Formats: sequence, structure tokens, C-alpha cells
Amino acid sequence: TQLLEQSPQFLSIQEGENLTVYCNSSSVFSSLQWYRQEPGEGPVLLVTVVTGGEVKKLKRLTFQFGDARKDSSLHITAAQPGDTGLYLCADDQAGTALIFGKGTTLSVSS
Amino acid sequence: NAGVMQNPRHLVRRRGQEARLRCSPMKGHSHVYWYRQLPEEGLKFMVYLQKENIIDESGMPKERFSAEFPKEGPSILRIQQVVRGDSAAYFCASSPAPGAGEKLFFGSGTQLSVL
Repeated sequence: TQLLEQSPQFLSIQEGENLTVYCNSSSVFSSLQWYRQEPGEGPVLLVTVVTGGEVKKLKRLTFQFGDARKDSSLHITAAQPGDTGLYLCADDQAGTALIFGKGTTLSVSS
Repeated sequence: NAGVMQNPRHLVRRRGQEARLRCSPMKGHSHVYWYRQLPEEGLKFMVYLQKENIIDESGMPKERFSAEFPKEGPSILRIQQVVRGDSAAYFCASSPAPGAGEKLFFGSGTQLSVL
């Protein structure tokens, strides 16, 4: 059974700081997805990465996929209070449901 | 174009009662997934359904839990004889097709509290 480990579990920072969260898998990802979940809401897809070494940018968010496709990082530049939420990584394997990590809870205070 | 609709948003039940959670997928989506989320445990897959078929129920407890997605109407997750350990947020997601790369759209969830 695939295990997704996310770190850190909790992160509390000030507005304007940079941060990086990580996702590591016990096996090779088929297709890695990052989600953000706000309190009281369902997760919302941020990005999908498929190719080892791939880097994708979404405004102040930079997603990197490891060359071996077993790890990924999410870097946020100049964090804002609106970035607060639970960041989840997930593996999307064809024909089966998404497998999620436990997430990183990010709190950005102004 | 309405998103995935779940109701009720909050459901309170006493031990031993039944809980029915409903999920209407996005228009045009025929694949529905149910997940359960407990604090600090992430989202745990429960069941994957297509219209009138259960495709994968490997994450669903063998007893008391059942799910359906009829030809007409919403998908239903049913929990019989609820216990306190069933208290959690239950999320439904839908997609137009199964498999890698397909975007899942999640509802806002149903928070089940068992007294």
C-alpha cells in the first residue's frame, strides 16, 4: 500500500515570509496532484504534475516534482493570509481513487 | 454550472440512528467518490461509484456502511446504527471519467456528529 508523507504537519508564519512544504511517497507517483482545502470546504485542485523534474508555477506558488517521481515540494513566496489552509498531495493512479497524504496545515498571520 | 452539491452540510445523530448523506455530482459527471476526513488524518477513500454500479468499495467498512448511485438522483452514503467513531467530515467528489489526470471536483462536505 502506497504511503504519502507530508511535512511539516503544521506551519505558522507571518505574512510576507516564504515557505516550502514537502510530499514524499513510498513508491513512484503515477500522477501527483496538489490540493488546498480551506476550513469547512472541500479540497480544490491546484496543480497536476506528471513528468519527473517538472516545475510548475501558479502565481506565487511553485511546484517541483522530483526526478525519481517519488517526492514533490510546494514553495510559496511572500505568503498572504489568504494562503491559509490545508495543503494536500495526492497520487492519481489510473482506474483507482486518489490516495491522499495527511496534509500540511498552514497558518499565515498578518 | 453548479458544482458538486452535498447535503446536509451538518448532520447530528444519536448513537444507533441512521445517517443518510447525499451527493449530486457536477452536470455531466458520471463518476462519484466518497471520502472520510478525520482531524489530522487526511482524506481516506471509501467508495467509488458509477451510475448504478459500485466500482471500488475497498475503503468502506464491511458493516453498517453502504453506498449507491442510482440512474436518477443523487449518490447516497448510508450509515446504519451510527456510533461515535463515525463522527467525521464526509466528502463527495465527481469527475467526468475515471483515472489518471482527471480532475476531481469536491463538494463542501457533510459534517456528521454522533452524540
